[in-house]
Amino acid sequence: KNEVEQSPQNLTAQEGEFITINCSYSVGISALHWLQQHPGGGIVSLFMLSSGKKKHGRLIATINIQEKHSSLHITASHPRDSAVYICAVSRNTGNQFYFGTGTSLTVIP
Amino acid sequence: NAGVMQNPRHLVRRRGQEARLRCSPMKGHSHVYWYRQLPEEGLKFMVYLQKENIIDESGMPKERFSAEFPKEGPSILRIQQVVRGDSAAYFCASSPGTARSGANVLTFGAGSRLTVL
Repeated sequence: KNEVEQSPQNLTAQEGEFITINCSYSVGISALHWLQQHPGGGIVSLFMLSSGKKKHGRLIATINIQEKHSSLHITASHPRDSAVYICAVSRNTGNQFYFGTGTSLTVIP
Repeated sequence: NAGVMQNPRHLVRRRGQEARLRCSPMKGHSHVYWYRQLPEEGLKFMVYLQKENIIDESGMPKERFSAEFPKEGPSILRIQQVVRGDSAAYFCASSPGTARSGANVLTFGAGSRLTVL
């Protein structure tokens, strides 16, 4: 079983829809990261959070430490949001980061 | 600050050849991580290095793979006698510190895509 589980694996949405991607983890963490990877492209860090909620433009990330769960929300989705979104956690022991397998989002115009 | 620089971006090798992938971390970052992403799969940890030291190589295959981060110059991931199964995207990331120190902001390079013919 992976330390980090994401759902859904694939998501198709109409432009303008509100999108939620979920991440659950099973280990103690110091921080949770949301990353974005465009097809054939590099990986961009969207958020790093250890509690509460962060907002950047149309993106919102929340984390519930007690439930070991985080969500990434995209409001008013746009085709350029189409990418793979990856949840990753950094452990509070050791130095590794653990990654979910990603959620592939396609936003249709 | 150019971020994490990886080169080459694309590398084609024939079976049995060697592949060398380079990663220059962000300025001020002394921690380097290498990850492999196989087609249709998630990122898998390979190795974590600080300057001149391998801290954790638990994700590295036991044979043919090695990594270094010398005092001067980039970190290098070396794959000897490549096989078709080594075809993947190899990502490097750097951070200024460890999770325990709280300085665990991770910045990724654009990746090096290795194709083995």
